[in-house]
Amino acid sequence: DIQMTQSPSSLSASVGDRVTITCRASQSISSFLNWYQKKPGKAPNLLISSVSGLVSGVPSRFSGSGSGTDFILTISSLQPEDFATYYCQQSYTTPRTFGPGTRVDFK
Amino acid sequence: VQLQESGPGLVKPSETLSLTCNVSGGSINGYYWSWIRQPAGEGLEWIGRTYSSGSTNYNPSLKGRVTMSVDTSKNQFSLKLDSVTAADTAIYYCARDHAGDRSFEIWGQGTLVTVSS
Repeated sequence: DIQMTQSPSSLSASVGDRVTITCRASQSISSFLNWYQKKPGKAPNLLISSVSGLVSGVPSRFSGSGSGTDFILTISSLQPEDFATYYCQQSYTTPRTFGPGTRVDFK
Repeated sequence: VQLQESGPGLVKPSETLSLTCNVSGGSINGYYWSWIRQPAGEGLEWIGRTYSSGSTNYNPSLKGRVTMSVDTSKNQFSLKLDSVTAADTAIYYCARDHAGDRSFEIWGQGTLVTVSS
């Protein structure tokens, strides 16, 4: 299985801050890397697919970058509705695997 | 397209967990459909997927306890998980796989299944 790791596991930030979350795969996954936002009591919501493809309706303050094994999710200016847990996920091969999540909470 | 999970919220240990995902607003044909779960306080785990033709891929971590099927006439797909234990207590989500990048592009709201006697 491809192992996904994320750092940090949690972070505290303020509205307007720039937030960066890192995701690493245990082997190359080409560009098959996706990012999800999850809020308590809600299903995960796809934000970015294929490393940097912003899903329709997702604000442009979200962006993704990277290739191979190392990937980054950036929130350029954190908004109140962005406080959530973020997961990366590889769709390169089965079994599909997720990172452990990064919780973003209010400083 | 909307997805809606249904099934018992309580299953006894050693019995079989059975869930159905109803697909509305679009056809089930031509897509992969996945099941994903999240135990309380833990991360997301992919259980497996089924194609509209009936072909399947399962997560080996579940050690052969999983069976998925599709009913195209009802526009729904199903999950069966045998020999459940308390470790199978989780919120179970169904999701549609994007045909190109294979992301989970559409999700059901999730259903909590508790394994307890």
